[in-house]
Amino acid sequence: AQTVTQSQPEMSVQEAETVTLSCTYDTSESNYYLFWYKQPPSRQMILVIRQEAYKQQNATENRFSVNFQKAAKSFSLKISDSQLGDTAMYFCAFKGRDNFNKFYFGSGTKLNVKP
Amino acid sequence: DTGVSQDPRHKITKRGQNVTFRCDPISEHNRLYWYRQTLGQGPEFLTYFQNEAQLEKSRLLSDRFSAERPKGSFSTLEIQRTEQGDSAMYLCASKTAATNEKLFFGSGTQLSVL
Repeated sequence: AQTVTQSQPEMSVQEAETVTLSCTYDTSESNYYLFWYKQPPSRQMILVIRQEAYKQQNATENRFSVNFQKAAKSFSLKISDSQLGDTAMYFCAFKGRDNFNKFYFGSGTKLNVKP
Repeated sequence: DTGVSQDPRHKITKRGQNVTFRCDPISEHNRLYWYRQTLGQGPEFLTYFQNEAQLEKSRLLSDRFSAERPKGSFSTLEIQRTEQGDSAMYLCASKTAATNEKLFFGSGTQLSVL
């Protein structure tokens, strides 16, 4: 079974600074997708960034980038120039390419951006 | 694209009562998921539909839980004889193969069982 672990329950960062959220996962599959989802206090989860395991290049979306280390099964999210609107729960998620049904989520990291 | 909508946003019920939640996915999305999220945890998979067919159910989904997706459009999740342990946020999400595995989530239904 796949597992996703987020070892940082809560983090804080000053506005305009950079923060990195950690995620590790366990799988026996070779082809899969990894995601970071954001859940603001309004509750609706939205996709932040997505990485395909067969791609060596780390994904980037504006201020958000990932550090994907396949051998170490590590997938961290870096948020640059943090903004107050980045305050939210962040969930790391895994989906195998062979199992088209399930997305597995970590327990989340609560990020507080301080003015 | 009006997004995934869920109804109701909040539901308070007494233990032993039945409750039903509704999810309206994005219209062109043929894949629909139900997840459960408890406080301080990430979403846990409950069940998955492709069109009207329920293709997978989690062991978390006891026989008190039933989900349907008639005609492959909206979906309902019913919990019979609710228990206090059923208190959670129930999330619906939808996608289609063309979205590169991007899940679109609704705002969820918060269930409180007293």
